[in-house]
Amino acid sequence: ELKVEQNPLFLSMQEGKNYTIYCNYSTTSDRLYWYRQDPGKSLESLFVLLSNGAVKQEGRLMASLDTKARLSTLHITAAVHDLSATYFCAVDSTSGTYKYIFGTGTRLKVLA
Amino acid sequence: GAVVSQHPSWVICKSGTSVKIECRSLDFQATTMFWYRQFPKQSLMLMATSNEGSKATYEQGVEKDKFLINHASLTLSTLTVTSAHPEDSSFYICSARSPRGSYSNQPQHFGDGTRLSIL
Repeated sequence: ELKVEQNPLFLSMQEGKNYTIYCNYSTTSDRLYWYRQDPGKSLESLFVLLSNGAVKQEGRLMASLDTKARLSTLHITAAVHDLSATYFCAVDSTSGTYKYIFGTGTRLKVLA
Repeated sequence: GAVVSQHPSWVICKSGTSVKIECRSLDFQATTMFWYRQFPKQSLMLMATSNEGSKATYEQGVEKDKFLINHASLTLSTLTVTSAHPEDSSFYICSARSPRGSYSNQPQHFGDGTRLSIL
């Protein structure tokens, strides 16, 4: 059974600081997705990582994928309050049906 | 980007009633749609895969007779929560699978979600 775990589950940080969220998964997959969810809202797509070594950046967020280590990271640079949200990674299951298995989520709170 | 419309966005109803949620892909044909459930402060859990013209595939532990899924066209899937009870209160999110090669390699596009509250 594919499992996807995120670390930390909850993160409180000061504005201007840097931090990294980790996403570990238990079986082989070469596609990984990062989403943001605001309270009461659905998912907003952040990054699509399609191969080993993929790195993508958008604003203060940068995501990377290491398929050999089964690890993805979401790095936050100089956090601002607007980044406060819950972040999920998701992995394609190996069944070929494009089912996503979501990570446990990381609730990020950026303090002004 | 791809647009998936989900309706209603919020519904409150009495225990014992049935509630239907619609998921529409507005700008592409979706042979496959997915239904997720999310409890407060938890992750999304896949309930079932909805296939156009055939029966849905349910995940382990999801009651198919309670959560009826119909995918009668390439742009519409419906989830009906039958005889709903307070423990069914949750945030339900659908997604539609886009054709391969379209929309920047994103296989799934998510609706805005439906908040279901059963009194």
